[in-house]
Amino acid sequence: GAVVSQHPSWVICKSGTSVKIECRSLDFQATTMFWYRQFPKQSLMLMATSNEGSKATYEQGVEKDKFLINHASLTLSTLTVTSAHPEDSSFYICSAVWAGGANVLTFGAGSRLTVL
Amino acid sequence: AQSVSQHNHHVILSEAASLELGCNYSYGGTVNLFWYVQYPGQHLQLLLKYFSGDPLVKGIKGFEAEFIKSKFSFNLRKPSVQWSDTAEYFCAVNANTGTASKLTFGTGTRLQVTL
Repeated sequence: GAVVSQHPSWVICKSGTSVKIECRSLDFQATTMFWYRQFPKQSLMLMATSNEGSKATYEQGVEKDKFLINHASLTLSTLTVTSAHPEDSSFYICSAVWAGGANVLTFGAGSRLTVL
Repeated sequence: AQSVSQHNHHVILSEAASLELGCNYSYGGTVNLFWYVQYPGQHLQLLLKYFSGDPLVKGIKGFEAEFIKSKFSFNLRKPSVQWSDTAEYFCAVNANTGTASKLTFGTGTRLQVTL
């Protein structure tokens, strides 16, 4: 079955630094990946749609210069939180569409970011 | 724009009790509907999905959901819950465009099953 891997699963950084989170589709190619953000005890909020070989499409209210998304290959999308601040602390989850899964998203385990 | 509403935020049931979690969506076109489950400390997993056809869909672990188009609802049910069903349940919808499109999630329902 389709597996999506995220790395790191947990990261702590100082305010002002940048953090990169990787999302990999391990056994399938994903032309489209989605990045979500989940606050404690809340739902997943879509941040952006990552398209291989082109610019990401950001949802309204998401700062594209702060949350840089790169989808350089069919198996890897990265989310870089630039100049992180404590309010960026959250759970970031990526998902990918597996063609064999009939338009069903497979989710990564998520990456918990804590900004001090 | 599509939206999803889950009315029950926190449900506590005893083992063997029946479960029904409400989900209503708002969207003007044809939709795909999903229920995802997130067990403590784990990632989201698909419970079941509806694309077309029989509005009563069966998923894993004895869960089922019924799509009622007239009510814009897709409620999740299970006749007899187990302690291991303790988890967060998310209803989600995306536009049925034939290609991958973004999912919109409800706020989730936390289910706690007591022994």
